[in-house]
Amino acid sequence: DQQVKQNSPSLSVQEGRISILNCDYTNSMFDYFLWYKKYPAEGPTFLISISSIKDKNEDGRFTVFLNKSAKHLSLHIVPSQPGDSAVYFCAASTTSGTYKYIFGTGTRLKVLA
Amino acid sequence: DGGITQSPKYLFRKEGQNVTLSCEQNLNHDAMYWYRQDPGQGLRLIYYSQIVNDFQKGDIAEGYSVSREKKESFPLTVTSAQKNPTAFYLCASSLTGGWGQPQHFGDGTRLSIL
Repeated sequence: DQQVKQNSPSLSVQEGRISILNCDYTNSMFDYFLWYKKYPAEGPTFLISISSIKDKNEDGRFTVFLNKSAKHLSLHIVPSQPGDSAVYFCAASTTSGTYKYIFGTGTRLKVLA
Repeated sequence: DGGITQSPKYLFRKEGQNVTLSCEQNLNHDAMYWYRQDPGQGLRLIYYSQIVNDFQKGDIAEGYSVSREKKESFPLTVTSAQKNPTAFYLCASSLTGGWGQPQHFGDGTRLSIL
């Protein structure tokens, strides 16, 4: 049972345009969410996070939006750059029970020059 | 320069052999984790340790073992009991094992069966 889902395995965007990566979750107890970026042959790198008390968090070109009622979060990258081409994972955790992260399957973003 | 070092980058194992993957961190983090990644799947938690001399099973611990004798080291042994060990293994650490702590990852070890 996949509690965190990234339904788009890949996405292509023109340089300078907006990239929107989506993530859905099923467990309403999740209250902290993160996005990671992963280049080939490297480990994931933490990008941005959001807690459930917020609906938006911004860091430079990256903004994460959280819609708790829809159990949906999205990562916006504006403007997209060729160096943003990577696999993006969302992850979720809960303060109740054993602390750990549940990861989505990832979305491969390709930014076209 | 602080970080997490995983070695080796590539590892080959004959069937029936145990093999140990190394993970060392110099970030002074209390918590460490081992994940497995298979094609088309997210990262799945194998084992985690929130403090030295203590560790807990994750979602897919069968066929694996760990130790945490030192704060900076968290080796993972893939035993012969793991029937499908071919995968990409990632080690991570966080400052504490508490809520809201991003995890820092190593560059992974790819294990293949000969």
